[in-house]
Amino acid sequence: KAGVTQTPRYLIKTRGQQVTLSCSPISGHRSVSWYQQTPGQGLQFLFEYFSETQRNKGNFPGRFSGRQFSNSRSEMNVSTLELGDSALYLCASTRLAGPTGELFFGEGSRLTVL
Amino acid sequence: TQLLEQSPQFLSIQEGENLTVYCNSSSVFSSLQWYRQEPGEGPVLLVTVVTGGEVKKLKRLTFQFGDARKDSSLHITAAQPGDTGLYLCAGAGIQGAQKLVFGQGTRLTINP
Repeated sequence: KAGVTQTPRYLIKTRGQQVTLSCSPISGHRSVSWYQQTPGQGLQFLFEYFSETQRNKGNFPGRFSGRQFSNSRSEMNVSTLELGDSALYLCASTRLAGPTGELFFGEGSRLTVL
Repeated sequence: TQLLEQSPQFLSIQEGENLTVYCNSSSVFSSLQWYRQEPGEGPVLLVTVVTGGEVKKLKRLTFQFGDARKDSSLHITAAQPGDTGLYLCAGAGIQGAQKLVFGQGTRLTINP
């Protein structure tokens, strides 16, 4: 079956702009989580959505937001971009919500902020 | 402060050697997962350990969960260039958190 699909794979933005990233989970998976990966901090949890509801949120500023649609696809948005937002943004899906199941990751969206 | 500390952060060894990667915490996990991430890809699950003292083997990889469920190790026997990648441990249920917490990873390079 098709894996987790993230778009776009690469993007370059300038400070102050905003960006929207998209994630299509594996068919049948209803939980989508987002992570930020940087060399210095590793994988940092952003948020988790299940059945269109945000179930959990990490310690990121309000500039980071997300949503999930009825077909389980998810988007995350970062407004007023800062240089420090440059990172690989990973989306992962699971069949059920919660921290114990296997996470199926997409290939990520690499964001560069200039 | 990282809830999960992985060591070493970087490891470069020759093909055929053995190695061990460690994942430690002061907190108790309900379960722990190990992932491997290759360049340009997302992490892929290798194993999940749940019971204190549990040992799981995946070909040349041996995973161990500490008796107190606060630490884990990954041992690779006779490493091969295909083992190169970023190895990540992720703990569930740390301090009651309803999300997986990842370590910073161990970047492993196996030289032919």
